[in-house]
Amino acid sequence: GEDVEQSLFLSVREGDSSVINCTYTDSSSTYLYWYKQEPGAGLQLLTYIFSNMDMKQDQRLTVLLNKKDKHLSLRIADTQTGDSAIYFCAESREAGGSYIPTFGRGTSLIVHP
Amino acid sequence: DVKVTQSSRYLVKRTGEKVFLECVQDMDHENMFWYRQDPGLGLRLIYFSYDVKMKEKGDIPEGYSVSREKKERFSLILESASTNQTSMYLCASSLGVSYNEQFFGPGTRLTVL
Repeated sequence: GEDVEQSLFLSVREGDSSVINCTYTDSSSTYLYWYKQEPGAGLQLLTYIFSNMDMKQDQRLTVLLNKKDKHLSLRIADTQTGDSAIYFCAESREAGGSYIPTFGRGTSLIVHP
Repeated sequence: DVKVTQSSRYLVKRTGEKVFLECVQDMDHENMFWYRQDPGLGLRLIYFSYDVKMKEKGDIPEGYSVSREKKERFSLILESASTNQTSMYLCASSLGVSYNEQFFGPGTRLTVL
């Protein structure tokens, strides 16, 4: 199975909340990340959470971490059309003294009026 | 402002040609990565490098090689391009520490005819 799993698509109405879910496998990951990719661009870090935290809030974004179930979620409140993008969950594993990320396949968020 | 640049946004090559994709970062990062991104498959790691002249295979290294002669530059080489290498190629860099936010270039869309 994949190391990091997330659903491929999510469709929401403008103004609603969006919740993107992710499961990961490496319990030693110190940080977990959410990246956003807008059309025609590379990925950009959206937010991250340290592994000893359960929740992190940053304006419209809320990240929830359940370490026992290895489940990570990203909630976007009051979703806007500008939030339409692909969202990638990522964990980091140590390899040869350095840290290498593993990405999920990405969730395409479609926001319609 | 941190920057990762890629030599081309769009590239069209013929089957059998040797192709060079260049990536440069100005953040003095130890780690550099090459990914390919295909619809429904997410990001797949081709090669990464954690130091000058060091390289490690990722998940899909077949048909590719890399070169890192200077810390800021990481090149991806397709020795003999094939049509199944038509894809979006993304370069990224990061520090080699436990918090390792990845900084991505804008991507090169390669078409092999």
